Amino acid sequence: RKEVEQDPGPFNVPEGATVAFNCTYSNSASQSFFWYRQDCRKEPKLLMSVYSSGNEDGRFTAQLNRASQYISLLIRDSKLSDSATYLCVVTAFSSSASKIIFGSGTRLSIRP
Amino acid sequence: DADVTQTPRNRITKTGKRIMLECSQTKGHDRMYWYRQDPGLGLRLIYYSFDVKDINKGEISDGYSVSRQAQAKFSLSLESAIPNQTALYFCATSDRGRQNTGELFFGEGSRLTVL
Repeated sequence: RKEVEQDPGPFNVPEGATVAFNCTYSNSASQSFFWYRQDCRKEPKLLMSVYSSGNEDGRFTAQLNRASQYISLLIRDSKLSDSATYLCVVTAFSSSASKIIFGSGTRLSIRP
Repeated sequence: DADVTQTPRNRITKTGKRIMLECSQTKGHDRMYWYRQDPGLGLRLIYYSFDVKDINKGEISDGYSVSRQAQAKFSLSLESAIPNQTALYFCATSDRGRQNTGELFFGEGSRLTVL
C-alpha cells in the first residue's frame, strides 16, 4: 500500500463547477499536510497548507481529518486556469530525518 | 531569474554514460533534495541533504550519487545511466526555519532520456 494515495483522475468538469479531491495517508505520525499544484511539464508549486481546523483561500478549501487519515481539497466556481495536476503531500520531520511523501497526483481538466 | 536553477534542462544520452545534473539555489536554504517523477508514480525522493556535510538516501537511491559542494549547490550523478532512469528530475530546497512546514521550492526540472 502506498503511503499517500490519491485518485489519479482525470476529473473533467465544466467551468463553474465545484470539484473535490481526497487523499489518504498511512502514517499516523504525519505532521504537516499540503496541496501542491503542478502544470503540465512544470515544477510543482505550493497551493496551500492544510490545517487541522480547515482553511480556505479564495475558491479553495482544504480539510484534514486525522482520525480517518485523509485530507481533502475543494475547488468552487472552477476556472479554466484550474486545469492542472494536484499533488497531496504529507510530511514527518525529526531532528535527523526528513520524510516528505508525495501522492501521485489527481489530474483536473476544466472544460468551457 | 529562478531561485532554484537546474542544468541541463534536457539531456539525451546513451546507456552506460555518466551524467551529472546540477542544482544551484539563491534562497539561502539549508536543505536540498533530488526527486524523480515518472508518470503514475508521482515524485520519489532520491537523496536529500540537510547541510553541506550531511547526505541521506531517499527511497530510490540505487544507481545514483550526490555531492553537496556548497550550501547553494547539490548535484546528482548517474555513474552508468540505464534506460529506466529516463525521467523528469527535480531539485528542491526547504528552509531549516520551516522544518516543520515541509514547504518545498522546486527547480524547473531536468528531463533525462537514456537510450
